[in-house]
Amino acid sequence: DTGVSQNPRHKITKRGQNVTFRCDPISEHNRLYWYRQTLGQGPEFLTYFQNEAQLEKSRLLSDRFSAERPKGSFSTLEIQRTEQGDSAMYLCASSLVPEGEWSEKLFFGSGTQLSVL
Amino acid sequence: SQQGEEDPQALSIQEGENATMNCSYKTSINNLQWYRQNSGRGLVHLILIRSNEREKHSGRLRVTLDTSKKSSSLLITASRAADTASYFCATVNSGGSNYKLTFGKGTLLTVNP
Repeated sequence: DTGVSQNPRHKITKRGQNVTFRCDPISEHNRLYWYRQTLGQGPEFLTYFQNEAQLEKSRLLSDRFSAERPKGSFSTLEIQRTEQGDSAMYLCASSLVPEGEWSEKLFFGSGTQLSVL
Repeated sequence: SQQGEEDPQALSIQEGENATMNCSYKTSINNLQWYRQNSGRGLVHLILIRSNEREKHSGRLRVTLDTSKKSSSLLITASRAADTASYFCATVNSGGSNYKLTFGKGTLLTVNP
């Protein structure tokens, strides 16, 4: 069990550029989440995958955001045409829960800190 | 939107003292969880309490849940400098999806040596 891995740890980009983050969940975890966290706030839900299916996307995510989880393994979160308001910590989490069961413990990665200049 | 609201927003104590943090939420829950976050890092799960439970213990942690008041408390006994971190409550709402955790804004705990 190597834990949830996120890359890169830090990303600095200029406004208008596209960025992509990667999350490698714990092997065989079927549930995968992306959250966003700004300074002094709690994590805010962005999107959720059950295996390879994206089952929910928050209204916080504009059309500039897209997430994928091909083959139900790793996931990517892409932000197109970044804006300064996108600056935040992007957290990935995973868990193994039988389908239909209530979520319990999530395992979080260390996050990707995005700074948009 | 954030379901839980932690209180206080910040807490500063001396090593060896107990720390109590509170969480209030708005809707019926299936379970409530507490997480810890060191500065600039990911969250670490501490403890989970289900809606039909009133109290749970894990090491120096004690969690209570009052569903009638829609509130929970986290007590850390005999605090250590290493307990310095932000603490978040998270709820899984019984009327919503079975997968989503909704986090509060957190309490920043500082334990002074």
